[in-house]
Amino acid sequence: GQNIDQPTEMTATEGAIVQINCTYQTSGFNGLFWYQQHAGEAPTFLSYNVLDGLEEKGRFSSFLSRSKGYSYLLLKELQMKDSASYLCAVRSLWKTGAGSYQLTFGKGTKLSVIP
Amino acid sequence: ETGVTQTPRHLVMGMTNKKSLKCEQHLGHNAMYWYKQSAKKPLELMFVYSLEERVENNSVPSRFSPECPNSSHLFLHLHTLQPEDSALYLCASSQDAGGAAAGELFFGEGSRLTVL
Repeated sequence: GQNIDQPTEMTATEGAIVQINCTYQTSGFNGLFWYQQHAGEAPTFLSYNVLDGLEEKGRFSSFLSRSKGYSYLLLKELQMKDSASYLCAVRSLWKTGAGSYQLTFGKGTKLSVIP
Repeated sequence: ETGVTQTPRHLVMGMTNKKSLKCEQHLGHNAMYWYKQSAKKPLELMFVYSLEERVENNSVPSRFSPECPNSSHLFLHLHTLQPEDSALYLCASSQDAGGAAAGELFFGEGSRLTVL
């Protein structure tokens, strides 16, 4: 099975840097995804890691350590619009059913950016 | 229209009603999904369709019945629901369900369901 843990809430200051951690236990890892979800809106894809290391995409970076079952999302130069929930999701290696991957989500971390 | 659209955005129904949620994707994707999002719980996968064939039913009660008439449309038929079924139901699509792009999901805005 899959178990994904991330902090429930975080608060950070505008212009600062914040790191949102995600730990997972899985019976077959094949990629870790981060999604952003603003209140009342759909989740949107942010990043994807399948190999160890850092993936950078503008102000957002995502890091993965497969041996530690650990990932983080790093947000730099925080803006008020970054206030949202950030969802960590793990894709399992073995296909379930007739050819689909299983994507399991964490409960999400609600980030509040304050002036 | 672009992306993934869902209707209705809000739905209130009694436990004896029959209603349907509709999802349409304009991205040319081959896989479509239904997820349930409840307060303080993670997104739960309900159903996966790949090329209009259901490939995943994640132990969902039979009072939820999906239908995928073509690769662009997905329905969730609701019948004799319970109050605990009240949640946000999200539709998503991806390029495919079993390839490298599986996991990069494009979500609709969701249908907020309240069961009285």
